[in-house]
Amino acid sequence: GAGVSQSPSNKVTEKGKDVELRCDPISGHTALYWYRQRLGQGLEFLIYFQGNSAPDKSGLPSDRFSAERTGESVSTLTIQRTQQEDSAVYLCASSFASGRYEQYFGPGTRLTVT
Amino acid sequence: SQQGEEDPQALSIQEGENATMNCSYKTSINNLQWYRQNSGRGLVHLILIRSNEREKHSGRLRVTLDTSKKSSSLLITASRAADTASYFCATGAGNNRKLIWGLGTSLAVNP
Repeated sequence: GAGVSQSPSNKVTEKGKDVELRCDPISGHTALYWYRQRLGQGLEFLIYFQGNSAPDKSGLPSDRFSAERTGESVSTLTIQRTQQEDSAVYLCASSFASGRYEQYFGPGTRLTVT
Repeated sequence: SQQGEEDPQALSIQEGENATMNCSYKTSINNLQWYRQNSGRGLVHLILIRSNEREKHSGRLRVTLDTSKKSSSLLITASRAADTASYFCATGAGNNRKLIWGLGTSLAVNP
């Protein structure tokens, strides 16, 4: 079956512009996660969606970052007024509910802010 | 915040040797997971061990969990060049629905 897909795979943007990243989770997975990974670093949790519950936004680094999810399907991560320090790979993952199950990751979106 | 701490940060071995990586964590967990990340296949789940389990095997992988010491180890036997990757541990705990990730161990297997 299809895995987690993300688009675009690469995005180059100018400082100050807004960007929107998309994630299509595996069908049937109720949980969806966004992470940021800077070069050579580990995963930095950003936000978590679980079904119709209020999302856990505790990892969002600033109010320039926001995310939405439509039901249990597509999610978009929006970064407004991008800064050079936003350059990173943004990874999306989905799983069956909670933190008790393995997460399946998409290939990521590499964001470069010039 | 990061909970898991992998040790060592980097490891270089020869093909055929065994590789052991460790992960320590701070709070009570209900499961611990190991993932591998390389440039070819992205981030992939390897194995999940629950808090009531002490050891688990999957192919050439062996994971142990010691909840009294709040630590886990990942052993890769008879390593191959294709095992070259970064390995991350992640913990799931109680009502906390998100995994807490370590910073990873970078493994290089030299042919």
